[in-house]
Amino acid sequence: SQTIHQWPATLVQPVGSPLSLECTVEGTSNPNLYWYRQAAGRGLQLLFYSVGIGQISSEVPQNLSASRPQDRQFILSSKKLLLSDSGFYLCAWSNSAITNEKLFFGSGTQLSVL
Amino acid sequence: LAKTTQPISMDSYEGQEVNITCSHNNIATNDYITWYQQFPSQGPRFIIQGYKTKVTNEVASLFIPADRKSSTLSLPRVSLSDTAVYYCLVAGSYQLTFGKGTKLSVIP
Repeated sequence: SQTIHQWPATLVQPVGSPLSLECTVEGTSNPNLYWYRQAAGRGLQLLFYSVGIGQISSEVPQNLSASRPQDRQFILSSKKLLLSDSGFYLCAWSNSAITNEKLFFGSGTQLSVL
Repeated sequence: LAKTTQPISMDSYEGQEVNITCSHNNIATNDYITWYQQFPSQGPRFIIQGYKTKVTNEVASLFIPADRKSSTLSLPRVSLSDTAVYYCLVAGSYQLTFGKGTKLSVIP
C-alpha cells in the first residue's frame, strides 16, 4: 500500500534562518506531489505542485521554494524565514495516471517562526 | 479552475443528518467533485467523490444535480467525532486548490 512520510512534525525556527521540510512517498511510482500551507484558522493554500522529477510549478510567489530531486521525494525550502511563514505545512500526493485523482496527505509540519 | 463556495460553519446535534452544500457555478465538463474532512493538526482525508447524480459509500452520500453547479454532502446520524472542517474540491487538472471549507460542530 502507499504511504506518505513528512517530517518533522513540529519545528520552531528564528526569523532569518533556513528551512528544509522533506516529504517522501512509498508504494507508488511517478506520483503528483503537492505542498500546501494552512495558516491558523484558515483554509489550505496550494504552494507548489510537481508532476515529475525536476518539474515544479508555483502557485503563489513567496519566500519559499520546492524541489523534487527524486521521483518520490519532495522538499520545501527557504533561505531566510519570515514571521509570515508560520503555519501548518502539508505534503500530499496523487496518482498521476488517474484523472480527477484523489489527494492523500501527510501528517503535516507545524512551523513556528519566532 | 472552478471556484467553490461553502457555508463557513454549521452546527448540528448528535444523531441528526447533516447536509453541507457547495456551489461551483463554473464547473467544467471534465471536473469531478471531491469532498475531504480535516481534523485539527491533521491532513485532510478523502470522504467521497462524484461526477453526477448520487454517490454513496459507508461514510457519506453525495448529491449532484443535473446542472452540476452545486453538490451536497450528506452525513447520516452525525456523532461528536464528525466535528471537523469539510472541504469541497472541484478539479480536473493538477492544480487542486481548496476553498475555506465548512466547520461542522456536532453538539451533544
